[in-house]
Amino acid sequence: AQSVTQLGSHVSVSEGALVLLRCNYSSSVPPYLFWYVQYPNQGLQLLLKYTTGATLVKGINGFEAEFKKSETSFHLTKPSAHMSDAAEYFCAVEGNQFYFGTGTSLTVIP
Amino acid sequence: EAGVAQSPRYKIIEKRQSVAFWCNPISGHATLYWYQQILGQGPKLLIQFQNNGVVDDSQLPKDRFSAERLKGVDSTLKIQPAKLEDSAVYLCASSSPRTSEETQYFGPGTRLLVL
Repeated sequence: AQSVTQLGSHVSVSEGALVLLRCNYSSSVPPYLFWYVQYPNQGLQLLLKYTTGATLVKGINGFEAEFKKSETSFHLTKPSAHMSDAAEYFCAVEGNQFYFGTGTSLTVIP
Repeated sequence: EAGVAQSPRYKIIEKRQSVAFWCNPISGHATLYWYQQILGQGPKLLIQFQNNGVVDDSQLPKDRFSAERLKGVDSTLKIQPAKLEDSAVYLCASSSPRTSEETQYFGPGTRLLVL
């Protein structure tokens, strides 16, 4: 069975500050891991994904995430937040099934 | 490349009425998914099709929800009769057959309000 836990339903950062969105997973099989972003009234857009290979994954809009098997984590980071990053972010895991986390709402303060 | 299309974008109905949603996946994508996203929650998989066959419908409330993908292309999701708790955004996604990885591409969703 798979599950995803996103720590912090709301995160606020100042513009230009580091963005860190946390995701922990559980999976009985080697997982595929994803981060999606959802802007208001829009569909989900893939930010990045980890399948195999390099554990540091770079995605769109300057985001990256690192797969840490020992910590069962896949945290999303961005060195410098931009106003346009304000959105809902979802972590997802695919093993035998596909599961989304409950989401983290990111607010960027000017 | 055209994305996943869904219609309608918005629907308001009264409880006990019926409603249907339509999804047209990206051309060539064999796998199609329907998700329910309740406000403040992550999407929950309702049903997954591979071509016109059901792969996973374990979380589909089969007493009121049904879905079909008769020709292995577009799909409809129906709720009959609707309940207040069905108010949510219904997302459709599609992906190409798994090789070494599989990415789901999402449509804009259909926002359902049951009164």
